[in-house]
Amino acid sequence: EDQVTQSPEALRLQEGESSSLNCSYTVSGLRGLFWYRQDPGKGPEFLFTLYSAGEEKEKERLKATLTKKESFLHITAPKPEYSATYLCAPSGGYQKVTFGIGTKLQVIP
Amino acid sequence: DSGVTQTPKHLITATGQRVTLRCSPRSGDLSVYWYQQSLDQGLQFLIQYYNGEERAKGNILERFSAQQFPDLHSELNLSSLELGDSALYFCASSFRLAGATGELFFGEGSRLTVL
Repeated sequence: EDQVTQSPEALRLQEGESSSLNCSYTVSGLRGLFWYRQDPGKGPEFLFTLYSAGEEKEKERLKATLTKKESFLHITAPKPEYSATYLCAPSGGYQKVTFGIGTKLQVIP
Repeated sequence: DSGVTQTPKHLITATGQRVTLRCSPRSGDLSVYWYQQSLDQGLQFLIQYYNGEERAKGNILERFSAQQFPDLHSELNLSSLELGDSALYFCASSFRLAGATGELFFGEGSRLTVL
């Protein structure tokens, strides 16, 4: 069974303070690993897909990286609007995307 | 706006009752997914349909059922409701099967409260 663990569960940063979120996964035959952002009371919003170890993707102040067992979401000098829950979702097949519980990020002005 | 429409947005009902949640996918999307999100468990995959056919099942209870209609909209039926069924229910859609690209488009969710 696919398993995914995200850490930390919650993270509080000062505006401009960079950090990384971790996603550890156990998936048989990884097809891809996906990152989503979710605002309170809203549906998740797609950020990135990573397909193979060593791959990196960037979007504004976010950079996602992938190894064989983990993925990291690096947040560089975040602004308060980056406050959200970030969800990691590895997929071992074409039918199911398994989501982690997420890291709740709060960026304080 | 993701283009995925879910109704109703909020629903309050009593234990033992039955409710139906409705989802209209983005125009052109063939796959529909249902997820349940409660406070302590994150997003739990329930079921997936592709062009009218069931393609994958997650931890969906026997009291729950779903279908996708010829016009591609989907309905999730929840029966014999229990207090623990209170949660946000999300529908998501994609053109292809999600594992290929991971890009799912989520609706705003239906918040179900069972009293």
